[in-house]
Amino acid sequence: KAGVTQTPRYLIKTRGQQVTLSCSPISGHRSVSWYQQTPGQGLQFLFEYFSETQRNKGNFPGRFSGRQFSNSRSEMNVSTLELGDSALYLCASSWRVSGKENQPQHFGDGTRLSIL
Amino acid sequence: GQNIDQPTEMTATEGAIVQINCTYQTSGFNGLFWYQQHAGEAPTFLSYNVLDGLEEKGRFSSFLSRSKGYSYLLLKELQMKDSASYLCAVNGGSQGNLIFGKGTKLSVKP
Repeated sequence: KAGVTQTPRYLIKTRGQQVTLSCSPISGHRSVSWYQQTPGQGLQFLFEYFSETQRNKGNFPGRFSGRQFSNSRSEMNVSTLELGDSALYLCASSWRVSGKENQPQHFGDGTRLSIL
Repeated sequence: GQNIDQPTEMTATEGAIVQINCTYQTSGFNGLFWYQQHAGEAPTFLSYNVLDGLEEKGRFSSFLSRSKGYSYLLLKELQMKDSASYLCAVNGGSQGNLIFGKGTKLSVKP
């Protein structure tokens, strides 16, 4: 069974540009969450999508946005990139239907984004 | 506010036992997860606790005390491959999102 797939694995951008990251969840999973991981802050929750709707959002500026397609694949977009956006961006999928269910999340290998 | 604390680093010897503690203060609580993350790799799910007590899974056990806002992950018979970061995460957001601690980097020495 294929795991969570994220593309691209590595990306280098410059300040002011925008970027789109892609995530394909495990087959059958409809919940997709995005996280930012940095050495100083650890894993921080960005947003969660379920059935093409954002149902949960973390404390990130509006430059960070996402969407989910009918096949549960998800994309995340960051506009007007800043140096501080350099991080590992992780996508996770799960079986959970209700936001409070405790199905474990399965993570992809992430996209390492570097801003020059 | 939401806060999860874990030690930043720990060192242990191959074959020994190590306990990684996690304390949390969150607005809600629907369960606590432990994940393992090797350098450069994705976090992988280890264990889950929602009721007080000990959950055992092979060499790994996890304990929860909800009244104390406390959990620990116990690793027995340590192996070199257990060198990794261990992340404590609470399902405690208003809509069930996971809140992660910053992780504990465990180094296993021969």
